[in-house]
Amino acid sequence: DGGITQSPKYLFRKEGQNVTLSCEQNLNHDAMYWYRQDPGQGLRLIYYSQIVNDFQKGDIAEGYSVSREKKESFPLTVTSAQKNPTAFYLCASTWGAGRTEQYFGPGTRLTVT
Amino acid sequence: KQEVTQIPAALSVPEGENLVLNCSFTDSAIYNLQWFRQDPGKGLTSLLLIQSSQREQTSGRLNASLDKSSGRSTLYIAASQPGDSATYLCAVTGNFNKFYFGSGTKLNVKP
Repeated sequence: DGGITQSPKYLFRKEGQNVTLSCEQNLNHDAMYWYRQDPGQGLRLIYYSQIVNDFQKGDIAEGYSVSREKKESFPLTVTSAQKNPTAFYLCASTWGAGRTEQYFGPGTRLTVT
Repeated sequence: KQEVTQIPAALSVPEGENLVLNCSFTDSAIYNLQWFRQDPGKGLTSLLLIQSSQREQTSGRLNASLDKSSGRSTLYIAASQPGDSATYLCAVTGNFNKFYFGSGTKLNVKP
């Protein structure tokens, strides 16, 4: 079955540690996205990538980093510079060109204490 | 910058009622508008996608309309069921293939 997988589902880290969230898709989509969702709020864009080896900052990129070495993979690293990292992180993908549906993974809930 | 607003933030209705969820956006230069459903602790599930040239889309008991010139979309749910209880989000696609989301309407359908 085609889809987007995110792992792990729950992640716990100590303050000051970097952590990497995995996102893999087998939909052959060109564009991939990372969003952050806080309770009672909509999704805020962290980073997005429209092609391999290229990515752009979203609205809240500070304290995060990404890579896009393969079309199917778009890992997100939450660094110690992110002041409030506890949140629900969602990965998504589309064919690109802005005219198609966006598909989402199941999300990773990160808790930093 | 594109701003997307959803009203109401929460809605509680008895089973069987027809209901309308609202979504408004500030910049009418969009490629499309998408409605999603989100269950607690889960990812988003796409419900309907309306291209900017379209006025509405239908899927089963769901009907979504788009008035690009006025910056509005509605999601109509007919004969609501308890299984429809979830948060509904709308998103518009702007330049550079970026998506802008509303904060959602939390729907509770009471048996």
